Amino acid sequence: EIVLTQSPGTLSLSPGERATLSCRASQSVRSGYLAWYQQKPGQAPRLLIYGASSRATGIPERFSGSGSGTDFTLTITRLEPEDFAVYYCQDYGNSRTFGQGTKVEIK
Amino acid sequence: EVQLLESGGGLIQPGGSLRLSCAASGFPFRSYAMSWVRQTPGKGLEWVSAITGDGSDTYYADSVKGRFTISRDNSQNTLYLQMNSLRAEDTAVYYCPKGSGTSRPYYFEYWGQGTLVTVSS
Repeated sequence: EIVLTQSPGTLSLSPGERATLSCRASQSVRSGYLAWYQQKPGQAPRLLIYGASSRATGIPERFSGSGSGTDFTLTITRLEPEDFAVYYCQDYGNSRTFGQGTKVEIK
Repeated sequence: EVQLLESGGGLIQPGGSLRLSCAASGFPFRSYAMSWVRQTPGKGLEWVSAITGDGSDTYYADSVKGRFTISRDNSQNTLYLQMNSLRAEDTAVYYCPKGSGTSRPYYFEYWGQGTLVTVSS
């Protein structure tokens, strides 16, 4: 089973700043089948990125995904107030496991 | 508009049983795989079970194998999760996300709001 490790655990930033979130897999993620989800308090997760770099429908361009093999990154170019949330990566090509999440909080 | 509405959660004693339902609308239900994913209070996400679009194949996490059963009724656009021999560690919010395809690999395109299951005496 692939283990996904996200870092940092918490990212403290101000609106307008750039956020860079990391997701590292214990073994290669098959064909880049890596997704990112956003979850706000009291809400269900929302799909942001699939296939490591494809934005889901309706997701703003400030969200971008990159990476391959075992190292993946979610970048938010300029944080908006609504972007402060917890972000999870998921391997959906093999084990369906999720990372433990990165919380992006207001500094 | 895709809608997923989970129901059936509640307070149940250890060793008890519960059946969750997920009513789906806004898409051709039989054409998509469905899953159950749970989230323990204050913790992360754990995939629990999945079923292909036609219901022919089912999959389970090791933590629930032999205790939980996933099924679907494509005529009623409804997904189910029968949970038996419940344990305290099964306490979580249960979601039924829609897969992006009929079989693997698929990501979770849409999620319902979840239903809370609490296992406690």
